[in-house]
Amino acid sequence: DAGITQSPRHKVTETGTPVTLRCHQTENHRYMYWYRQDPGHGLRLIHYSYGVKDTDKGEVSDGYSVSRSKTEDFLLTLESATSSQTSVYFCAIRRNQGLAGTYEQYFGPGTRLTVT
Amino acid sequence: KNEVEQSPQNLTAQEGEFITINCSYSVGISALHWLQQHPGGGIVSLFMLSSGKKKHGRLIATINIQEKHSSLHITASHPRDSAVYICAVGTRDDKIIFGKGTRLHILP
Repeated sequence: DAGITQSPRHKVTETGTPVTLRCHQTENHRYMYWYRQDPGHGLRLIHYSYGVKDTDKGEVSDGYSVSRSKTEDFLLTLESATSSQTSVYFCAIRRNQGLAGTYEQYFGPGTRLTVT
Repeated sequence: KNEVEQSPQNLTAQEGEFITINCSYSVGISALHWLQQHPGGGIVSLFMLSSGKKKHGRLIATINIQEKHSSLHITASHPRDSAVYICAVGTRDDKIIFGKGTRLHILP
């Protein structure tokens, strides 16, 4: 447990509405990530952040935006939710280990989003 | 072809059996990770390996860098080991690539 919380934990929303998911961490880690997890796919990176106001796209970023205005919070926004964005969303932080280039990821509990 | 392949995709075994889950990858890596996800649950990091072997309780993870292969072993398996086990690699250009997971079911 690296002090990661996600909110909300469950959400049902209608197609076309904006949705914001929040990830909060308590350990001041620099790197934060948003993933989605779908049956038949591995975890897929949506966006990540390497510092306050520093973000970059992952492999499935279309339809999503992120913001990081302070170290502890990383927000994921679905501009106009679609049914294809029904998924489980995981936030993660990166904790560097002793050896250069090695680190572990710690995941939040996940948010189950259903777009109807 | 996926850059991280796990086998088997699904595995059912009897309590007490020795379990092996395999992971092969095709990219250069800085480290390999094994993760565990219980049904409806969160994702927990089990191991991070850059060489050799690590052991934690009944879990053992090995990696062969030359062969680009890792295995996760569970000794004396128990129904509470039932979960999805995910292999992930950290690449040299600082990305993480996940396998699709192995669903393990241990019968009492």
